[in-house]
Amino acid sequence: QSVLTQPPSVSAAPGQKVTISCSGSSSNIGDHYVSWYQQLPGTAPKLLIYGNNRRPSGIPDRFSDSKSGTSATLGITALQTGDEADYYCGTWDSSLSAVVFGGGTKLTVL
Amino acid sequence: QVQLVQSGSELKKPGASVKVSCKASGFTFASYAINWMRQAPGQGLEWMGWINTNTGNPAYAHGFTGRFVFSLDTSVTTAYLEITSLKAEDTAMYYCARESYLCSTGTCYLDYWGQGTLVTVSS
Repeated sequence: QSVLTQPPSVSAAPGQKVTISCSGSSSNIGDHYVSWYQQLPGTAPKLLIYGNNRRPSGIPDRFSDSKSGTSATLGITALQTGDEADYYCGTWDSSLSAVVFGGGTKLTVL
Repeated sequence: QVQLVQSGSELKKPGASVKVSCKASGFTFASYAINWMRQAPGQGLEWMGWINTNTGNPAYAHGFTGRFVFSLDTSVTTAYLEITSLKAEDTAMYYCARESYLCSTGTCYLDYWGQGTLVTVSS
């Protein structure tokens, strides 16, 4: 079982907006920024969001995140079929002294 | 450009060992830790631990002690993951990724990943 909790799947239509939640505790999300990763089928994960809602070069501003207490949320607007992927949240856990990930959320763009 | 290039797929018998390499280029090797992740078929990401590229000191996550060894060859900017006494449940994709030594400060992220190495353990 993953330390961070994500919904197994979400879906939405092209052009719509979707959110993916990531729930943790005071020793991880409550005390650290969350990073988000996109894993397209058959490929390695790619960093989408890090720090305080920062995006690496090349990541469109359709992707954003927010945090409240011990939960974080990834938002994706103007959905495209190419956004179909697995999405993972991750952060540092001070109690475990470890990087922890959520179980992943499969996004389907209907 | 920043690249982490991993070695190719491996097919091993139970009880054997495997060594996966992760060749870094396009950045100052000593400025980033190398982390290792496992992804079993159809499953999520598991953090295995990391190695300090300045000191060579490794840190292993719970569940990845004993049979798993991280090492470096700084002369060729390469990190290695060795798994001994392989079991069928070690069958997975293994990824390396770099991190800026910021995890314990509040901002933890893995910004570049290798392409992955599939290790299959089967008799």
